[in-house]
Amino acid sequence: AQKVTQAQTEISVVEKEDVTLDCVYETRDTTYYLFWYKQPPSGELVFLIRRNSFDEQNEISGRYSWNFQKSTSSFNFTITASQVVDSAVYFCALSEIYGRGSSNTGKLIFGQGTTLQVKP
Amino acid sequence: DGGITQSPKYLFRKEGQNVTLSCEQNLNHDAMYWYRQDPGQGLRLIYYSQIVNDFQKGDIAEGYSVSREKKESFPLTVTSAQKNPTAFYLCASSMPQGYSNQPQHFGDGTRLSIL
Repeated sequence: AQKVTQAQTEISVVEKEDVTLDCVYETRDTTYYLFWYKQPPSGELVFLIRRNSFDEQNEISGRYSWNFQKSTSSFNFTITASQVVDSAVYFCALSEIYGRGSSNTGKLIFGQGTTLQVKP
Repeated sequence: DGGITQSPKYLFRKEGQNVTLSCEQNLNHDAMYWYRQDPGQGLRLIYYSQIVNDFQKGDIAEGYSVSREKKESFPLTVTSAQKNPTAFYLCASSMPQGYSNQPQHFGDGTRLSIL
């Protein structure tokens, strides 16, 4: 069965600190996608990144970076020099590859989320 | 602007009442999804639809029903059989393209409470 675990329920940091959000996943599929979403207090989910299982290169986008390690089934997210506006709930999610067989739907399996509070 | 519109933002349900949550998208996406979010928990899939006039149960479909008569619309009805409907409901859509899963785009959500 597919499963995503975000062991950190809540993290609190002071502005300008670096913070890493952990994500560990389980799947029997050899091909899959991993996602990170941000949910600010307003409620909508904002897409941050998608990574397919064939691409283990780390990615950096501004203050955000992602470390994908297939050997440990982890897809961790680091915010460098955190800001108050980064305060939100962050979700890691796993998806089947759409289109490969009738059972694959593209649906997302979400972790429980990590609430990040960045204090000024 | 393209996006997903959910309405209403807040909804109250009386005991024994069915209520319908609206989800409309103008992104020309084929697939649409309904998720339920409870405090401190991740999102759980209620129903999804990959194409018009077709939909499938997700992990927690009991007490819910959907329809997909138009590509743009995927309303969710919370029936009286759903005994614990208080939650935040999120609608999403995506445009699957072959083997390349596109990210799901989400609406702003509807918060449902029991009166």
